Amino acid sequence: QVQLQESGPGLVKPSQTLSLTCTVSGGSINSGGYYWSWIRQSSGEGLEWIGYIHNSGRTYNSPSLKSRVTLSVDTSKNQFSLKLYSVSAADTAVYYCARYDSSGYYYVGFDYWGPGTLVTVSS
Amino acid sequence: EIVLTQSPGTLSVSPGERATLSCRASQSVSNTYLTWYQQKAGQAPRLLMYGISIRATGIPGRFSGSGSGTDFTLTISRLEPEDYAVYYCQQYDRSLITFGQGTRLEMK
Repeated sequence: QVQLQESGPGLVKPSQTLSLTCTVSGGSINSGGYYWSWIRQSSGEGLEWIGYIHNSGRTYNSPSLKSRVTLSVDTSKNQFSLKLYSVSAADTAVYYCARYDSSGYYYVGFDYWGPGTLVTVSS
Repeated sequence: EIVLTQSPGTLSVSPGERATLSCRASQSVSNTYLTWYQQKAGQAPRLLMYGISIRATGIPGRFSGSGSGTDFTLTISRLEPEDYAVYYCQQYDRSLITFGQGTRLEMK
């Protein structure tokens, strides 16, 4: 059973960089056909896709956040990471990491999720 | 990017009744790339259906999906107490992902 767990600071100051890591267990991040993803949800709001990364290092980001996002993967640690630059209060949200399954004819979607971590942007 | 619009925003239905949730896309979505999720308060979303109408592992048969092109529907045939939640549709198009804004299903 694949499990994901987010980790990182729960409080970030405005204009600074938000950094989160997702640790994958119960499966290899090197498995083909999967994209390792970040999604966020502001309080009381819907889901916003941030971006995802393949174990090859190929990344795709949301156009609305693209200029402020860097994704990376560390296959030796079975982890992937998010950096969001120049944050503001609008970036306060629960951040989820998730696995996107595109391994078959049907793109299944986000089949495994971490529990989420609240990141607050405040001075 | 493809915009998904879900309706209604909130749906009030009694237990045992049928619920019908709509997801409309701004452009045509491939039938292999449309997915539904269920999210309960304080929890991560749960994969519900993919490929428009294929139930994910462990999802009961009262959940069904239909549609094509730009109009998709999630139907819950007989609502159980555990079905009251927020439901999201999601699509994939040229490596980009978007979600609908969600439909809150509440007990009437």
